[in-house]
Amino acid sequence: SYALTQPSSVSVSPGQTASISCFGDKLGNNYISWYQQKPGQSPLLVIFQDAKRPSGIPERFSGSNSGNTATLTISGTQVMDEADYYCQTWDTMTSSWVFGGGTKLTVL
Amino acid sequence: QVQLVQSGAEVKKPGASVKVSCQTSGYNFKTYGMTWVRQAPGQGLEWMGWINTDNNNANYAQKFRDRVTMTADTSTSTIYLELRNLKSDDTAVFYCAREMADYGSGSFYGDFWGQGTLITVSS
Repeated sequence: SYALTQPSSVSVSPGQTASISCFGDKLGNNYISWYQQKPGQSPLLVIFQDAKRPSGIPERFSGSNSGNTATLTISGTQVMDEADYYCQTWDTMTSSWVFGGGTKLTVL
Repeated sequence: QVQLVQSGAEVKKPGASVKVSCQTSGYNFKTYGMTWVRQAPGQGLEWMGWINTDNNNANYAQKFRDRVTMTADTSTSTIYLELRNLKSDDTAVFYCAREMADYGSGSFYGDFWGQGTLITVSS
């Protein structure tokens, strides 16, 4: 089955740019979504269709997807952005969602 | 506004069954499919399956196929997840999510999520 791989953790200083990657075979041929999850909360969609932001998501969140890698970029990272981030795509072979293992973003 | 409100936490014994509900409001229930995702303590997100709220057709992840049933009640705009033969490693938070789907482009994602339901399986 299709697999997505994320780094387990990423650290960034406040105000700097955070990049979280998601690897999958020919991932650029699929749409990717990104979710933010803070402790005790439900996942929140922050990016869909590779690079689109839902209403209410700050402009500092952006996404890209090409080749085997999708990237979530947070520009001017704020302390409030500290959370777990999950990438997700659709596996056409099994008609199912696939999640990456998640990346813990630490802002310090 | 779109809202997904799930039923409360439950404690179950191994071998038992559980039925979790997710009541929706603020949109046309039959227009969107719904997905269930679970998250074990300290672990990542795991897709369990999807249900077509218009005709009750469902597609389950292979891992759960023999002990899960998803249903939809259009009269109350509510979906249900039943998981049978519970094991201790089924202890998790279960989330429902509204699915945005475009089969032509292959775009599938959850735009609104319920608050989660904690199911604890313990003897």
